[in-house]
Amino acid sequence: QVQLVESGGGLVKPGGSLRLSCAASGFTFRDYYMSWIRQAPGKGLEWISFIGTSTSIIYYADSVKGRFTISRDNGNNSLYLQMNSLTAEDTAVYYCARDKRYSAYWGQGTLVTVSS
Amino acid sequence: DIVMTQSPDSLAVSLGERATINCKSSQSILYSSTNKNYLAWYQKKPGQPPKLLVYWASTRESGVPDRFSGSGSGTEFTLTISSLQAEDVAVYYCQQYFTTPQTFGPGTKVEIK
Repeated sequence: QVQLVESGGGLVKPGGSLRLSCAASGFTFRDYYMSWIRQAPGKGLEWISFIGTSTSIIYYADSVKGRFTISRDNGNNSLYLQMNSLTAEDTAVYYCARDKRYSAYWGQGTLVTVSS
Repeated sequence: DIVMTQSPDSLAVSLGERATINCKSSQSILYSSTNKNYLAWYQKKPGQPPKLLVYWASTRESGVPDRFSGSGSGTEFTLTISSLQAEDVAVYYCQQYFTTPQTFGPGTKVEIK
């Protein structure tokens, strides 16, 4: 069955960096777009980035453009999100999800807290 | 960006009664060449990832109880829970995937009256 497991979240100071990982299994990872979506505490859902089956198609929301970098390793069935210049507004649960339109497959999420 | 709005913000419904959630998009999300509405509905419970309920505005995801149904076209959509169960207490989000960025509505909280 499809499994997505995020890791790498934690507490980081404003201006700091963090790298999230998403380990995928149960499907042919290289054949699917992958996405990162986040939910800030008490807020709604925000689709922040997706990456195509190769790395030629990448999208970033304006809120993270220039600070976050999405990447993938098809050989290791893994998705990544490098987050730099973090601010308090980036505090959220970060989910990886399969596909870029709608998704039936989400990880459990990893919490990123940006605070001094 | 396409802005998604939902109404009401919250609603309380008695067990076994109908719950209706509305979603509007700031522009049509009906793609004429496919005649499909690029809209999904999700259920979100605390501590859990979103669960896909409906896509293409009215196609129920596999395994989703048939008390959940989606309808609408163009810019106005509805998610109906025909007979509310205790396990349906959650926040429900609509999401358009007609254009990038995909955008979600602000959510509707469903509670038991």
